[in-house]
Amino acid sequence: GAGVSQSPRYKVAKRGQDVALRCDPISGHVSLFWYQQALGQGPEFLTYFQNEAQLDKSGLPSDRFFAERPEGSVSTLKIQRTQQEDSAVYLCASSLVGGLTEAFFGQGTRLTVV
Amino acid sequence: QQQVKQSPQSLIVQKGGISIINCAYENTAFDYFPWYQQFPGKGPALLIAIRPDVSEKKEGRFTISFNKSAKQFSLHIMDSQPGDSATYFCAARDTGNQFYFGTGTSLTVIP
Repeated sequence: GAGVSQSPRYKVAKRGQDVALRCDPISGHVSLFWYQQALGQGPEFLTYFQNEAQLDKSGLPSDRFFAERPEGSVSTLKIQRTQQEDSAVYLCASSLVGGLTEAFFGQGTRLTVV
Repeated sequence: QQQVKQSPQSLIVQKGGISIINCAYENTAFDYFPWYQQFPGKGPALLIAIRPDVSEKKEGRFTISFNKSAKQFSLHIMDSQPGDSATYFCAARDTGNQFYFGTGTSLTVIP
């Protein structure tokens, strides 16, 4: 596709359930970012990949959060044992090379933990 | 701790008017200051950006004013249009290529 695609668009999870959020970056884009956007807030950095290498995961809020990009293309953000405070929109962005300055964001996945 | 402080939280402007959104920061190591526009249900899209060695940058109806000594920067939207109604985020990048976003301003332009 022409843009960054995220799925699902919406996810409702019961507290304690595991979830997996998918990001399909723009074809050929080397860099991939995950951000968390709480309601009424700006995006907050979670993690960054360059190809398949996870170069920065300093923003992951706990060890329940895990991200991977095994073949340097599609990425999955996994949240184990979801908590209500995990409810947010999870944004993925990709760029051809380099950092977020040239990146394009996807529409996000809205996660609601009940 | 909010690295970039943004105001106002919401803004209502008449069509044709000027919309002004302000941001302030403390970290003098920030080296790049973008503004993003986000429509409901969409991801943020880069609107315009400035580096700290420049005091002003203009692209069409959008202008960034940057005051390095005051550690403040602002977005001005001239001749505001209903299609500009969206949420606007300022951001700043540190030397580790980490981006910090403001809390957003919801702009409504009334026809």
